[in-house]
Amino acid sequence: DTEVTQTPKHLVMGMTNKKSLKCEQHMGHRAMYWYKQKAKKPPELMFVYSYEKLSINESVPSRFSPECPNSSLLNLHLHALQPEDSALYLCASSRETGGDTYEQYFGPGTRLTVT
Amino acid sequence: GESVGLHLPTLSVQEGDNSIINCAYSNSASDYFIWYKQESGKGPQFIIDIRSNMDKRQGQRVTVLLNKTVKHLSLQIAATQPGDSAVYFCAENKGAGRRALTFGSGTRLQVQP
Repeated sequence: DTEVTQTPKHLVMGMTNKKSLKCEQHMGHRAMYWYKQKAKKPPELMFVYSYEKLSINESVPSRFSPECPNSSLLNLHLHALQPEDSALYLCASSRETGGDTYEQYFGPGTRLTVT
Repeated sequence: GESVGLHLPTLSVQEGDNSIINCAYSNSASDYFIWYKQESGKGPQFIIDIRSNMDKRQGQRVTVLLNKTVKHLSLQIAATQPGDSAVYFCAENKGAGRRALTFGSGTRLQVQP
């Protein structure tokens, strides 16, 4: 099973709202990722978690707050977003050995619209 | 591989032909490369990967070629089918053991029946 699931599929939120995106995988992967993808652009890395600890933050604004409650779950908490934050938010996971890079498996994404 | 502009390069092929999608990568320290297929409204789907100690790797109907001298990567799809129509992204890790992937700008493949 190489499935990564994400909820919700679509989300519309106002600039004063607080919402959360959720991601889950049951492949035993210990590295999990959040990417942001704008229309007609490639995915751009936001955060990397390794063994439930944040290992990379690609200078993402603090209105995005990641959380990894356990090895299967990854959340992205959203607060006071701007309309330009509207995008497809992708979660991915991969094996983690500390030595090599491995293929990342992506979820279907959450389509976020900020009004 | 930095994204540029709003218009994806497009490759149009006839069903049954072979397709070749090219990618120039940016970092000579990268030692892992990967190709993804992304259909409209879906997340990227893993196709094939290759490490820098190899020049060629084959999968089912797909072959990836790596030329480290000119920092070039290509994806060959044999007997292209309408279901292959999608945007294809290459990605590199920008350094040995790095988990972060940097994606190229993508190529749209259109398969004409």
